[in-house]
Amino acid sequence: AQKVTQAQTEISVVEKEDVTLDCVYETRDTTYYLFWYKQPPSGELVFLIRRNSFDEQNEISGRYSWNFQKSTSSFNFTITASQVVDSAVYFCALSSNSGYALNFGKGTSLLVTP
Amino acid sequence: KAGVTQTPRYLIKTRGQQVTLSCSPISGHRSVSWYQQTPGQGLQFLFEYFSETQRNKGNFPGRFSGRQFSNSRSEMNVSTLELGDSALYLCASSVRGDTGELFFGEGSRLTVL
Repeated sequence: AQKVTQAQTEISVVEKEDVTLDCVYETRDTTYYLFWYKQPPSGELVFLIRRNSFDEQNEISGRYSWNFQKSTSSFNFTITASQVVDSAVYFCALSSNSGYALNFGKGTSLLVTP
Repeated sequence: KAGVTQTPRYLIKTRGQQVTLSCSPISGHRSVSWYQQTPGQGLQFLFEYFSETQRNKGNFPGRFSGRQFSNSRSEMNVSTLELGDSALYLCASSVRGDTGELFFGEGSRLTVL
């Protein structure tokens, strides 16, 4: 069975602070995919990143960066110099080789205040 | 490029009724999947369709069903509604459905009284 754990339910930071959202996953598959999605108040989930299990390279996209470590089954997400517009619920997700279904974590609600 | 469109956005039903939700995917996308989002259970996968065929189904009772039409538009139906079916139902589309890069609609918020 697959499982994604986002232990942080809510995080509150002041603008310009760095913040890391944790994600720990469980799977017996050797081939799998990890994702991060952002859900703003409007409701739709917005795709941020996809990583396959064979690619442990960290990735940086502007103020966003992701750290994938198979040894600890973690796929953490860091926002550098946070902004108010980053306020949203962030979901980590996992899928098997087929990729047809995503198993989501419970999400981390991030509030960035001015 | 138009995004994923879900209708209706909000609806209220009473226990025992049935409901049909509609999803129009992004043009060119042939995969449509549905997720239920509740405060208690979070986001849970319902089913996924590709070219009118259901390829995967989540762990939901048979009251939850869906279908996809030849133009890739999809509907999901919930029969004999229960209070616990109150949720945000999210539809997502993708080109093939096998990469996980899904494009979500804003959802249909169902309230069951």
